[in-house]
Amino acid sequence: KAGVTQTPRYLIKTRGQQVTLSCSPISGHRSVSWYQQTPGQGLQFLFEYFSETQRNKGNFPGRFSGRQFSNSRSEMNVSTLELGDSALYLCASSLSGNGNTIYFGEGSWLTVV
Amino acid sequence: GESVGLHLPTLSVQEGDNSIINCAYSNSASDYFIWYKQESGKGPQFIIDIRSNMDKRQGQRVTVLLNKTVKHLSLQIAATQPGDSAVYFCAENAGTASKLTFGTGTRLQVTL
Repeated sequence: KAGVTQTPRYLIKTRGQQVTLSCSPISGHRSVSWYQQTPGQGLQFLFEYFSETQRNKGNFPGRFSGRQFSNSRSEMNVSTLELGDSALYLCASSLSGNGNTIYFGEGSWLTVV
Repeated sequence: GESVGLHLPTLSVQEGDNSIINCAYSNSASDYFIWYKQESGKGPQFIIDIRSNMDKRQGQRVTVLLNKTVKHLSLQIAATQPGDSAVYFCAENAGTASKLTFGTGTRLQVTL
């Protein structure tokens, strides 16, 4: 069974640009959540989607957004990139959230220059 | 890949010894706890989980202990191997959805 797949794995963007990251959850999983990981702040929850609806949101500015498609695949977008957005962005999936085991992908490394 | 969390608490153990990694959680309403292992350049890998109605759970070479009274979680790794070298995170979930709150992480170094 394939795990959580994230693309691209590495990318470099310039300040002010926008970026879209993609995530394919484990087959059958309907909950997809996103996390940002940095050396200074650790792992922080961005948002969670279930059945194409955002169900929970962390404390990030509106420049961070996401969506989920009917096949449970998800994308997150960061607009007007800042240097501080450089991080590892992790996608995780679970059957439905609510205490189900949550599995992570390998992440997308974003560098903003 | 790069390494995240360069200045983490570090636990050094000799190969073959047992390791104990500790974690204090913050939310008394949390009812689900997970331990993850993260190797350099990779995403967090699920190790073991425990629900709040339990105080101990065992897996293969790993045991998680939960003390709700003092909001403390620990991960015990038996017969630690070089392949266990990684950063270990505890995470807590307060019931709904998939929002996990992570601890700061502990780097485990296994020496030969």
